[in-house]
Amino acid sequence: GAGVSQTPSNKVTEKGKYVELRCDPISGHTALYWYRQSLGQGPEFLIYFQGTGAADDSGLPNDRFFAVRPEGSVSTLKIQRTERGDSAVYLCASSPRLAGGTDTQYFGPGTRLTVL
Amino acid sequence: DAKTTQPNSMESNEEEPVHLPCNHSTISGTDYIHWYRQLPSQGPEYVIHGLTSNVNNRMASLAIAEDRKSSTLILHRATLRDAAVYYCILREVGAAGNKLTFGGGTRVLVKP
Repeated sequence: GAGVSQTPSNKVTEKGKYVELRCDPISGHTALYWYRQSLGQGPEFLIYFQGTGAADDSGLPNDRFFAVRPEGSVSTLKIQRTERGDSAVYLCASSPRLAGGTDTQYFGPGTRLTVL
Repeated sequence: DAKTTQPNSMESNEEEPVHLPCNHSTISGTDYIHWYRQLPSQGPEYVIHGLTSNVNNRMASLAIAEDRKSSTLILHRATLRDAAVYYCILREVGAAGNKLTFGGGTRVLVKP
C-alpha cells in the first residue's frame, strides 16, 4: 500500500515568507508526527497528533511554527516569518495508534526547506 | 530521558556481518530499545525493537545485555543497500514514549 507522502519534496523561500508543508499519512493511521532534521544531525521531534488534536507540541521551537490536522488525516505544518535557521528537512511519520513506546513509526521522504 | 551512546561510524565488507553497539547505562526497567535506520536522502525506517530478550526479524537481530545497559544490532550479511545511519533509541512506556528521540547514530559504510 501507499506509504507516507510529503509535498512539496523541496521548497525554497525567502526570509520572512510564510510556508506550508503537507503530510499524507498511511490510510487509517490515527497518530501523526512531525520531526525536523538539520544537516548532519538526527531528526528532532516537533509535534504529534492523535486524531485531530495535537497531543504533544513540546518540540515546536517557537510560535512561528504551527501544525493542524483538521480531519484526522492530512496534516499541514505552517511556518510564519521564516528565518534562515529554519532550513532543514521536515519529516512526517504516522503510526496505527499511539502505543506508548511500542509502536512503529513510518516515515515519509521529507520536505527539504531552504530559506534564503 | 535516558540517553544512548553509539560510535560515530563503522565500516564493513559486503556479505560480512556487522555488529552495531549501543550503550544505554541509564535505561529504566520499562524502556524499550528501538533501532531505526536512515538511508541516504530518505526518511528513517524501523528496523527492530526489544525489551529484555533477544529479537530476530528479517532485517536484523537485536542482542540485549542481561543488565540491559547495552545492546547490539546485528546485520548478518551486509549488502550495499545497508549503508545508512543507524539510530538506537530508548522509548518509555506511556505517553512520554510516543515520540522518538534520535541521537547522532552510527554511519555504516559497506565496502564492495
